[in-house]
Amino acid sequence: GQQLNQSPQSMFIQEGEDVSMNCTSSSIFNTWLWYKQDPGEGPVLLIALYKAGELTSNGRLTAQFGITRKDSFLNISASIPSDVGIYFCAGHGSSNTGKLIFGQGTTLQVKP
Amino acid sequence: GAGVSQTPSNKVTEKGKYVELRCDPISGHTALYWYRQSLGQGPEFLIYFQGTGAADDSGLPNDRFFAVRPEGSVSTLKIQRTERGDSAVYLCASSLQGAEQFFGPGTRLTVL
Repeated sequence: GQQLNQSPQSMFIQEGEDVSMNCTSSSIFNTWLWYKQDPGEGPVLLIALYKAGELTSNGRLTAQFGITRKDSFLNISASIPSDVGIYFCAGHGSSNTGKLIFGQGTTLQVKP
Repeated sequence: GAGVSQTPSNKVTEKGKYVELRCDPISGHTALYWYRQSLGQGPEFLIYFQGTGAADDSGLPNDRFFAVRPEGSVSTLKIQRTERGDSAVYLCASSLQGAEQFFGPGTRLTVL
């Protein structure tokens, strides 16, 4: 099925470092969302972006909705060990379909 | 409040058997979604309910898969004549409005 192109695929960083990951699509989306998934759990919503160019923060997380509506990025500042997990971007096209299209995920490992 | 719950958490079955997976959405959420997640991949959309009706079932892979939501709350995903390729984590999500979907912990299905 259709998926977004998410990069990097994995990251291994030192505690305290900043992290950046991004997501691109060939299609336009009306909403971009970022989720975090821990092993054996479902994805947890981190940030939702509704407007092109929008920059939104949630604690140490900052995400932006690209101007072209075909991309988004997520930054994590001053990483801590509990940031470990898989981060997924997701695009939502319209309320009629309801479905989210997910990226392949970025696996983040943080070394204390 | 209570989040999305899914039962069972794990299901092991034999090829050719029938299985039912249950989802209890967040109380009051009118929209319910089923996704399937294979190892190392992002979730892939299966079906979307708005109330009792399936508004979009375009993600169901074939006619062995069927889902119901008879009273607009609990939903059951039904898989007939299971195949080894059906092995995956089946995720359920619900939402009140917009694109923000809240996921349950998933059911890990293993077909031997």
